[in-house]
Amino acid sequence: AQSVSQHNHHVILSEAASLELGCNYSYGGTVNLFWYVQYPGQHLQLLLKYFSGDPLVKGIKGFEAEFIKSKFSFNLRKPSVQWSDTAEYFCAVTALTGANNLFFGTGTRLTVIP
Amino acid sequence: DTAVSQTPKYLVTQMGNDKSIKCEQNLGHDTMYWYKQDSKKFLKIMFSYNNKELIINETVPNRFSPKSPDKAHLNLHINSLELGDSAVYFCASSQDPGEETQYFGPGTRLLVL
Repeated sequence: AQSVSQHNHHVILSEAASLELGCNYSYGGTVNLFWYVQYPGQHLQLLLKYFSGDPLVKGIKGFEAEFIKSKFSFNLRKPSVQWSDTAEYFCAVTALTGANNLFFGTGTRLTVIP
Repeated sequence: DTAVSQTPKYLVTQMGNDKSIKCEQNLGHDTMYWYKQDSKKFLKIMFSYNNKELIINETVPNRFSPKSPDKAHLNLHINSLELGDSAVYFCASSQDPGEETQYFGPGTRLLVL
């Protein structure tokens, strides 16, 4: 069975600091990878996704993520965070075989201090 | 022009009651989903429907039953509500199952007293 691990449960940063959130998945086959963000009191929104091609993908609001197949990782990065980035971030994976479920990690809460 | 909408936004009810949550999408997608987000923010898929057929049914109690009157709607009916059902329930949709981006609704916060 697939699983998604986000090792950082809560990250606290000052504005302008750089961000990297870890995401590892366990599945040996071909996968699609996603990062979703949930702002306080709001629904999930897609930040970025990787299906194929360039392993470095750029999303909205200055976020990017790098797919490293050998490490089963899809870490999220942003060079300079803003207070408005305070939110819960979810990594998600879906395999391209079987039932094609979307599996979510447990989420990382990011708090940005002005 | 909301893409995925859910009603109600909040639902407070007592144990043992039966309740329904409605979901509608106007994206023309073929697949719709229900997720449960627990108090620790963990999201887990409950059901998905593709062209009015159930294609995923995770290990959820049979008190939960999805109902899809048409491709644009996937309602969630819950019988005999229990305290542990308290959570936020998210509806989502995608064009194809699994391979496409899922678009989420605003969530329904259910509190069972």
